[in-house]
Amino acid sequence: QSVLTQPPSVSAAPGQKVTISCSGSSSNIGGNYVSWYQQLPGTAPTLVISENTKRPSGIPDRFSGSKSGTSATLGITGLQTGDEADYYCGTWDSSLSAWVFGGGTKLTVL
Amino acid sequence: QLQLQESGPGLVKPSETLSLTCTVSGGSIPSSVYYWGWVRQSPGKGLEWIGTIHYSGSSHYNPSLKSRVTISVDTSKNQFSLKLSSVTAADTAVYYCARQVRRYFQHWGQGTLVTVSS
Repeated sequence: QSVLTQPPSVSAAPGQKVTISCSGSSSNIGGNYVSWYQQLPGTAPTLVISENTKRPSGIPDRFSGSKSGTSATLGITGLQTGDEADYYCGTWDSSLSAWVFGGGTKLTVL
Repeated sequence: QLQLQESGPGLVKPSETLSLTCTVSGGSIPSSVYYWGWVRQSPGKGLEWIGTIHYSGSSHYNPSLKSRVTISVDTSKNQFSLKLSSVTAADTAVYYCARQVRRYFQHWGQGTLVTVSS
């Protein structure tokens, strides 16, 4: 069982918007920066959001991140079939003294 | 551009030590800004942080694995390495090396599958 809680799956139609939630506690999300990673089938994770809201170079502005209290959210607008992937949130947990990840959310673009 | 490449045996026997190396190209390990980490992913499962090292030698390990993990760095070869001792089938996973900035995992290697089996 992961320290950070994500929904196992979300789905939406092409062109629509989807949000993926990541819930934690004061020792992780509540006190530290959250990052998000996209893992396309059979490939390594890649960073899509850093420091709660920042998009790395090359990541389209269809991807956005937000954080409020002990929860964070990844938003993807204008969904494309190429966005189908597993998405993971991650942060430092100050109580555990460890990096922790959510269990991952499988995005299906119907 | 930065590339990280994991290498090492794909099959390790139970109770033995898993050893992997990450070779960094297009960037230099000796940097005050960057840290170098290992993350694994068991088949069909999520991501698990193993540990992180700075070129200065300062390291930090997942408490759940700490007793079995050693991460080291060789700046002359621009490589860093992972050793995980007393492995069991539960250690079967894809192992990724990654470059970290303090607050996130910035760049990942392609990963290497390590199977623990006799």
